[in-house]
Amino acid sequence: DQQVKQNSPSLSVQEGRISILNCDYTNSMFDYFLWYKKYPAEGPTFLISISSIKDKNEDGRFTVFLNKSAKHLSLHIVPSQPGDSAVYFCAANNAGNNRKLIWGLGTSLAVNP
Amino acid sequence: DAGITQSPRHKVTETGTPVTLRCHQTENHRYMYWYRQDPGHGLRLIHYSYGVKDTDKGEVSDGYSVSRSKTEDFLLTLESATSSQTSVYFCAISQGQRGGDTQYFGPGTRLTVL
Repeated sequence: DQQVKQNSPSLSVQEGRISILNCDYTNSMFDYFLWYKKYPAEGPTFLISISSIKDKNEDGRFTVFLNKSAKHLSLHIVPSQPGDSAVYFCAANNAGNNRKLIWGLGTSLAVNP
Repeated sequence: DAGITQSPRHKVTETGTPVTLRCHQTENHRYMYWYRQDPGHGLRLIHYSYGVKDTDKGEVSDGYSVSRSKTEDFLLTLESATSSQTSVYFCAISQGQRGGDTQYFGPGTRLTVL
């Protein structure tokens, strides 16, 4: 039973355009969400996070939006660059109770020059 | 980058042999985790530690054991390796902050069990 779902296994975007990666969750107890980027043969790298008390968090070209009523979050990358080509993982947890993250299966982003 | 190293980075072994993977951190973080990553499964938690000698199971702990005798080291042992344990193993660390805790990952160990 996948509690965190990334329904698009892959996404292709032109350089300079916006990339939107989506993530849905089922557990209403989740209150902290993270996005990680992973290049081949490397460990995942933390990108950005958001607490459920917010609906938006920005860090440079990366913005995460949280819609609690829809149990949906999205990562926007603007503008997309070829170096953004990687697998992006969404993760969530119940921050008050434990430190274990529940992971989505990832979306592979290809940014074409 | 978080100060996390994993050793070895690559290992090929035979079915039935014991294997130990090491994770070393220089950040003095309380929490340490072992994950495996396989195609179609994303990242799955094997075991984690919330302090020296304090460990707990994750979702795929069968066939694995862990030990943490020092804050900086977290060992993952496959008592008798099987081909189904061929995978990429990642160690992660976190401070254990309530209200939002970020995990930082090592570079990974690619293990092949023949």
